Amino acid sequence: DTEVTQTPKHLVMGMTNKKSLKCEQHMGHRAMYWYKQKAKKPPELMFVYSYEKLSINESVPSRFSPECPNSSLLNLHLHALQPEDSALYLCASSTRTDDTGELFFGEGSRLTVL
Amino acid sequence: RKEVEQDPGPFNVPEGATVAFNCTYSNSASQSFFWYRQDCRKEPKLLMSVYSSGNEDGRFTAQLNRASQYISLLIRDSKLSDSATYLCVVLSYNFNKFYFGSGTKLNVKP
Repeated sequence: DTEVTQTPKHLVMGMTNKKSLKCEQHMGHRAMYWYKQKAKKPPELMFVYSYEKLSINESVPSRFSPECPNSSLLNLHLHALQPEDSALYLCASSTRTDDTGELFFGEGSRLTVL
Repeated sequence: RKEVEQDPGPFNVPEGATVAFNCTYSNSASQSFFWYRQDCRKEPKLLMSVYSSGNEDGRFTAQLNRASQYISLLIRDSKLSDSATYLCVVLSYNFNKFYFGSGTKLNVKP
């Protein structure tokens, strides 16, 4: 059982829609991540939050907008997406960004943009 | 040059075989090393952390060679259920990024 919970598991949206992906962890982790994964490729880093502050944005288009309301929650707001944005979006957490521990992944939100 | 390089495979092996995956990383100051397993359409799950002294968990053995910047994973007595993609993951020297290899696909056949 994963300790990082993502909702929704599946999402279909049109290019004009606005939707959000949600992620929650209760492990007391202070680093949270969004990754995008296309088929047969490794996860690709999008954003890193450290102590609820955005510490890394990997030049992600502004149609993706992350938010970290508190230490347990991470959102990814989606607006005016393109079909090529269809992918598995993975949330992950780790103890801290200055620690050597591993990443814990949620089950992912599978997004289809029509 | 990529931060982490892996042979993408696929490795097609019979049940009971021993199979080894290798991974190299480019930054000598990298901090931590991991093997993750990812099943089709699922999230990556930690298989093992990799330590300089080497570590073993049942049929799985991981090794780290810092001098050669090389990580390995050995799977003995392969099972059908070992079929998956194995991701080599390296934590950067300044802690804030995890670098992923491209993944090695393993198919264990009856």
